[in-house]
Amino acid sequence: KNQVEQSPQSLIILEGKNCTLQCNYTVSPFSNLRWYKQDTGRGPVSLTIMTFSENTKSNGRYTATLDADTKQSSLHITASQLSDSASYICVVSAKGRTYKYIFGTGTRLKVLA
Amino acid sequence: NAGVTQTPKFQVLKTGQSMTLQCAQDMNHNSMYWYRQDPGMGLRLIYYSASEGTTDKGEVPNGYNVSRLNKREFSLRLESAAPSQTSVYFCASGGIGMNTEAFFGQGTRLTVV
Repeated sequence: KNQVEQSPQSLIILEGKNCTLQCNYTVSPFSNLRWYKQDTGRGPVSLTIMTFSENTKSNGRYTATLDADTKQSSLHITASQLSDSASYICVVSAKGRTYKYIFGTGTRLKVLA
Repeated sequence: NAGVTQTPKFQVLKTGQSMTLQCAQDMNHNSMYWYRQDPGMGLRLIYYSASEGTTDKGEVPNGYNVSRLNKREFSLRLESAAPSQTSVYFCASGGIGMNTEAFFGQGTRLTVV
């Protein structure tokens, strides 16, 4: 069964600290993996899209990694800010399954001053 | 830069009532989607439209109908609302191809009592 699991479910860190969020998937055959940020009461906003051949991608203070062999991805947030408080959602799509995106349940991050 | 616009933002329905959620995008995207987001679960695809004039069922289509009115607009209709349809609904649009970004609307919070 195609699944995307994220950990931890929730995380609290102090402003300025770094953190890493994890995503494990069993989607096959793999096409791409996306990380989204979802602020409370808003729709998800794309942070990165990674294909099979990419193992690192950065977007400002956000760096995503992908290990297609172990089917794991991580999202590293550097020097966290209060505005980073949000849910972070990992989404995996399967090759050949057009429009089939498997969403993880997200990690809820809270950054405290 | 409106992006994806959903209306209404909030709605309360009585069981058995009907309503239509509206979605419009101004990015000239071919693909449009309707998702629902429930606590503790990832976003689940209700229906999608690969292009103007076509619609297809997603993962959880029961109790819903859709209309791709034109390239810009994709509406979701609940003919006879049930408490199980209490959820947050998101419309999204995207370009052609598996690795293109999807843009989400702000969401509609629907409560069926």
